[in-house]
Amino acid sequence: DTGVSQDPRHKITKRGQNVTFRCDPISEHNRLYWYRQTLGQGPEFLTYFQNEAQLEKSRLLSDRFSAERPKGSFSTLEIQRTEQGDSAMYLCASSNRDFYNEQFFGPGTRLTVL
Amino acid sequence: GQQVMQIPQYQHVQEGEDFTTYCNSSTTLSNIQWYKQRPGGHPVFLIQLVKSGEVKKQKRLTFQFGEAKKNSSLHITATQTTDVGTYFCAANQAGTALIFGKGTTLSVSS
Repeated sequence: DTGVSQDPRHKITKRGQNVTFRCDPISEHNRLYWYRQTLGQGPEFLTYFQNEAQLEKSRLLSDRFSAERPKGSFSTLEIQRTEQGDSAMYLCASSNRDFYNEQFFGPGTRLTVL
Repeated sequence: GQQVMQIPQYQHVQEGEDFTTYCNSSTTLSNIQWYKQRPGGHPVFLIQLVKSGEVKKQKRLTFQFGEAKKNSSLHITATQTTDVGTYFCAANQAGTALIFGKGTTLSVSS
């Protein structure tokens, strides 16, 4: 499969716990994005990497959220001290700057915070 | 910050009827993208419009970008049950992050 993959697909955690999600983009894509989507809403931008550099971060992103892309390939998104309001689908997307920013989305990780 | 508004939020049609969703912005957009998300699925890119007044067609789907580059529309002719899903417009803010509208959810009854 050559699409964007995300792991895990589902995560249930208790409030206050830390969680980490992984995204593997399409191999030749140098841009990687994280979005959050709640029911009835469009994807909300969280952060963006070009290769290993984190170039954009939403002002809405709490300091409990951190993302890395250490070797410019896969990325991780960590949420510390989870809150019930963090429950959402976390989507990863990738794109290739040689094309006009068409973004390819992964299947998402659904987080439920109890 | 930049926002894109979509209407209607929901639309139900009988199979064979046409469907249109509209996307509006208070600011001039550099481009507009459209995505489709099937129930339980993830957004899938449909098209990007860049030029003022641009019209693009994909089979039964027609996409338009307004002359002032502040609005866009997606029109589906003779809907089919396979058209069911949520259609999002999205625009780039400064940089490459996409700002998505809330989407229009289309349901089709046969």
